[in-house]
Amino acid sequence: GAVVSQHPSWVICKSGTSVKIECRSLDFQATTMFWYRQFPKQSLMLMATSNEGSKATYEQGVEKDKFLINHASLTLSTLTVTSAHPEDSSFYICSARVASGGGNEQFFGPGTRLTVL
Amino acid sequence: AQTVTQSQPEMSVQEAETVTLSCTYDTSESDYYLFWYKQPPSRQMILVIRQEAYKQQNATENRFSVNFQKAAKSFSLKISDSQLGDAAMYFCAYRRGSAGNMLTFGGGTRLMVKP
Repeated sequence: GAVVSQHPSWVICKSGTSVKIECRSLDFQATTMFWYRQFPKQSLMLMATSNEGSKATYEQGVEKDKFLINHASLTLSTLTVTSAHPEDSSFYICSARVASGGGNEQFFGPGTRLTVL
Repeated sequence: AQTVTQSQPEMSVQEAETVTLSCTYDTSESDYYLFWYKQPPSRQMILVIRQEAYKQQNATENRFSVNFQKAAKSFSLKISDSQLGDAAMYFCAYRRGSAGNMLTFGGGTRLMVKP
């Protein structure tokens, strides 16, 4: 149980285009999802916290208009990178917290590698 | 703000031997959790072990155990009988008491296992 999926696993796009990444909790409901970015050989940096039915909370330095987060249901959160540029190329990871009865665990998706040409 | 520090960018261990990865953290909270995550080449984050700050007993999970020194704010991971499959990045992480709070990660330690 407690599986989180991400789609796509790898995406290449042209500079200036927008890319949407989906994060789904497959067998549990997630009131809270987290989006992280990981550059090569570096740690995970939290970008934003996404709560179902409300606006996401962004970390300092993360552009809200560039990284649009929507958490429309208890099983789906999306991250849209708008007007992507080469410096946005990174590995994006989501995690989901069980809504109830699941203890204190967060479960991670397998990540999405974004390459912007 | 909470910070997590892993002072060893890389470590290596001989297969079947024991290795200890270091982690220190800084917090003014009394209710928190500490974690060790493994990130293999697949990049999938895998929870290795968890420690609740209110528990004095060190957590253990098979070959993995921690040395939790609350006063010193130290949380090291010991891997016994190292296996080739243990080779990965290991991240120490901190979270405040409520499950909805975010994880703060250390910089990571790359563990290499020599056959």
